[in-house]
Amino acid sequence: ETGVTQSPTHLIKTRGQQVTLRCSSQSGHNTVSWYQQALGQGPQFIFQYYREEENGRGNFPPRFSGLQFPNYSSELNVNALELDDSALYLCASSLEEGLNGYTFGSGTRLTVV
Amino acid sequence: AQTVTQSQPEMSVQEAETVTLSCTYDTSESDYYLFWYKQPPSRQMILVIRQEAYKQQNATENRFSVNFQKAAKSFSLKISDSQLGDAAMYFCAYRSNYNTDKLIFGTGTRLQVFP
Repeated sequence: ETGVTQSPTHLIKTRGQQVTLRCSSQSGHNTVSWYQQALGQGPQFIFQYYREEENGRGNFPPRFSGLQFPNYSSELNVNALELDDSALYLCASSLEEGLNGYTFGSGTRLTVV
Repeated sequence: AQTVTQSQPEMSVQEAETVTLSCTYDTSESDYYLFWYKQPPSRQMILVIRQEAYKQQNATENRFSVNFQKAAKSFSLKISDSQLGDAAMYFCAYRSNYNTDKLIFGTGTRLQVFP
């Protein structure tokens, strides 16, 4: 079975631009969660999608939005990028809202200049 | 709101020795899971061990074991017979069984292993 795949691995954007990050969940998993990990910090929960619906959201502004597709892959969109959005963005997939644990991808390193 | 605290930014251990990483958490809930994740330079979070709050027996996975003290809200990770490949960031995380949407992570402990 394949794990969680994230693309791209690295990205550089200019302040004010928009970015889309992608995540392919592990086979059989129907839940995807996104986390932001700033340098030297632990991951912070952005939101979770369960069966294509947003299932929970952390303390992030509306310019952070997401989608989950029928094949359970997911996108994270960030509008009006700010310098503080520079971070590692991690995607984690799970079955049934994480009751049996999470599988993480290797993340997308976003740098906003 | 739940919080997770890791008070050791860095730890080091000699190869083959034992090291203990500390984690405390705060919650008013009684039903939850606790996790230790390892994050090597590859950046992928790898599950090391998990503990369900209702289970009194401490979880063990090969060289990794936990000391779960529910009343004290403490959840430490013991790594026995340390290996060079254990060098990584280690994160303690909490997940409520009432709101199952998220993991709450601590700030991590960087473990160095010396030969």
